[in-house]
Parts: sequence; C-alpha cells; structure tokens
Amino acid sequence: DTAVSQTPKYLVTQMGNDKSIKCEQNLGHDTMYWYKQDSKKFLKIMFSYNNKELIINETVPNRFSPKSPDKAHLNLHINSLELGDSAVYFCATLGAGSTEAFFGQGTRLTVV
Amino acid sequence: AQSVTQLGSHVSVSEGALVLLRCNYSSSVPPYLFWYVQYPNQGLQLLLKYTSAATLVKGINGFEAEFKKSETSFHLTKPSAHMSDAAEYFCAVSNTGTASKLTFGTGTRLQVTL
Repeated sequence: DTAVSQTPKYLVTQMGNDKSIKCEQNLGHDTMYWYKQDSKKFLKIMFSYNNKELIINETVPNRFSPKSPDKAHLNLHINSLELGDSAVYFCATLGAGSTEAFFGQGTRLTVV
Repeated sequence: AQSVTQLGSHVSVSEGALVLLRCNYSSSVPPYLFWYVQYPNQGLQLLLKYTSAATLVKGINGFEAEFKKSETSFHLTKPSAHMSDAAEYFCAVSNTGTASKLTFGTGTRLQVTL
C-alpha cells in the first residue's frame, strides 16, 4: 500500500488547458504539501495544508489552486496552463510532531 | 530565513572510493537538516536527518553526515561508493511548527564509475 500516492504519474497537455493532479495519503498525517521540481531539478515549496487549512502559499500564481477535501487528500488544480508550468510536482506529508516528510512519486507535467 | 548551499552540482567518484557531498546551511535558529536521495524518475527518499541529537548521524545505505555548527556544515559521506549510489542528492533545512517546510539545496548529481 503506497503511503503517498499521486495521480496521474505523467500528464501531457496543451497550453491554455486546465488540469488537476491528485494526492492521497494513508499515513494519517496532518500536514500535506505541494512541491515543484523544475527542469534543473530545483525543488521549491508551493503550498502546505494543515488539517485542511491553507498554511503556506509561496508566491505561486493564482492559476494554481490547491484544494483539500479532507485530511487524506490534497489536490492541485492548474488553470490556463503555460509552458513554464512544465515540471515535476511532488506531494508530501508530515505527521504532527514529526520531522520526516514523506514524498509521493511525483507527477511529471509537460505543457506543449 | 533558512537556506542551504550544496557545493558541486556534479560529483564523480570511482566505485569503492569515498563519497563526499557538501552542504552548508544558514539558519537563525537551530536547524533541522536532512539529506534526501532521488533516483531517476522517482520521488525523494530520506537518507538521514539531524534534529539536535547526536551530531554524527547515520542513515540508510551506509551514508552518514556530521553536523558542524562552527562550520555551518552538514556534509554527506560514504566510505565506499557503489554503482547503485548514482543518483541526485538533496540537502534540506526545515523549520518547526505548523508552518514547517523544507528548503532544499540545488542538488548534487553523484556519478559512480567503474
């Protein structure tokens, strides 16, 4: 059973489209994140949610909208996709009082 | 603000040789420090972490790192490289609390040659 699972693993789409990436965790962790890894492998946090509440929003364009329907899920919706959105998006979780974040396998988004 | 700097975007070693990947941090409070490994087309896997306990931290796959406050460093080492160690390695620092987040270095690609 995968602890942090993301779907889809690969996503190829055209500029201007709207797409969603889903993340589900079965660890019971309170905090969930989205990180973006660009083509140079640089990893940067985008958002974090704690118990369905948005905690961190790191100057991400408002075309990106995270949604946490419950503690086990954190989805990322992207409107009007641009070429520069091409990246690998990682979901991660962190348990209360813990220091170890668990990462999903990533979603490779390619905008053409 | 916290940050980490990884010296060397690409390190190449021979199989059996010492692996040394460098990481320096900047933090106004005692940091939590991490090393993650990323194999091709995979997610990130935690190798080891420093959370203010022992300064020499042992991790998985024979890796270890030493926290040196005086040098603000957290270098990753392995005595003998194996071909399977070839991957991207990321040093990261985090804060604590509800707004906890990881701030990553730019990564170091480790190549292991025969």
